Amino acid sequence: DAGVIQSPRHEVTEMGQEVTLRCKPISGHDYLFWYRQTMMRGLELLIYFNNNVPIDDSGMPEDRFSAKMPNASFSTLKIQPSEPRDSAVYFCASSLVGFNSPLHFGNGTRLTVT
Amino acid sequence: AQSVTQPDIHITVSEGASLELRCNYSYGATPYLFWYVQSPGQGLQLLLKYFSGDTLVQGIKGFEAEFKRSQSSFNLRKPSVHWSDAAEYFCAVGRSGGSNYKLTFGKGTLLTVNP
Repeated sequence: DAGVIQSPRHEVTEMGQEVTLRCKPISGHDYLFWYRQTMMRGLELLIYFNNNVPIDDSGMPEDRFSAKMPNASFSTLKIQPSEPRDSAVYFCASSLVGFNSPLHFGNGTRLTVT
Repeated sequence: AQSVTQPDIHITVSEGASLELRCNYSYGATPYLFWYVQSPGQGLQLLLKYFSGDTLVQGIKGFEAEFKRSQSSFNLRKPSVHWSDAAEYFCAVGRSGGSNYKLTFGKGTLLTVNP
């Protein structure tokens, strides 16, 4: 079990550029989550998918943020255009079906927007 | 709406000392409760969880937590801390029932362990 894999680990970009974060969940997991972690706001749930379908995107801060899950083994979180306040660590997590199943987190992508 | 409060932002203990990290939650029904640990540069790892039954739950790495409904608390404990326990600890509450799956995390408690 390779765990949840995120890429890149670090991303530095200039304001206005498009940023794409990638996630490969654990094989067989039905749920995929995107979280954002900042000092001020802690861990915030942005969006989650069940069987590749977005279920709740109420945490997505603005229309500049979008997420897709084209298949069971891949998801992207895109920010276009990026702004300095988007600087944070973005985590992807996956879990099996059922509320009892714990989340398995990736190591995160640290995004810096200058 | 569910919420989690971790009153202590930063705690320092000596190696070998006992540890208790506090967590209070707000939720109208029976909550699902979790503790996660995050080491620097890593994602979060589940330490333990409570869904029902025995209110004292055991987790990995020698941690335990006790659910106290009357106090809306789910404090994490360890009898003897090791230097490798230095990390940030997050309490989380989940919605029970329904079709949505949402965890709400506390802001975290940073643990420093002195030799």
